Amino acid sequence: DAGITQSPRHKVTETGTPVTLRCHQTENHRYMYWYRQDPGHGLRLIHYSYGVKDTDKGEVSDGYSVSRSKTEDFLLTLESATSSQTSVYFCAISGSGSGYEQYFGPGTRLTVT
Amino acid sequence: RKEVEQDPGPFNVPEGATVAFNCTYSNSASQSFFWYRQDCRKEPKLLMSVYSSGNEDGRFTAQLNRASQYISLLIRDSKLSDSATYLCVGATGGGNKLTFGTGTQLKVEL
Repeated sequence: DAGITQSPRHKVTETGTPVTLRCHQTENHRYMYWYRQDPGHGLRLIHYSYGVKDTDKGEVSDGYSVSRSKTEDFLLTLESATSSQTSVYFCAISGSGSGYEQYFGPGTRLTVT
Repeated sequence: RKEVEQDPGPFNVPEGATVAFNCTYSNSASQSFFWYRQDCRKEPKLLMSVYSSGNEDGRFTAQLNRASQYISLLIRDSKLSDSATYLCVGATGGGNKLTFGTGTQLKVEL
């Protein structure tokens, strides 16, 4: 299994509070991604990173920001959580020469009340 | 129309059966495809990569038909442990943009 961890694994927070999710990898892969998974939608890309301090938006980036100050860490921040951001969040990684395969972390289950 | 479409199922099959899933995609620029397996409340795990016409790994065979824009996954001799949701995925945009189908649920029964 790819060395990817996510923290926290579960979180319940209130509407309007900031939330930061962390993804940590030990594979030294260049690319890191944040997805959310909701019933009926499949996995949707929020943001991704192609190197330290290099990030770009995905399909559903509104309300989210990211930062990558080290190769191994990719942070996802919800500046002011809303109930529509209740979801399961997955981090993924891929290497430059991996043929585009992405490997996923165990996920964070976030509930915004 | 969704970019990657799958029959949600569930497909209920007896142990030992052969089952096939189809997936259609609308973006002709898709360069490669993948099948991921996802168990309930777990992360997706890569099952197979499909770069050309197909791929085979043990009991699993994936086929790609670019003319008709569909990918299939065939599972032979189904095991109880094959019960999961199977996600069809297309890659575009230099390969780093993955588009996921919503998944097909498989239940293998005794």
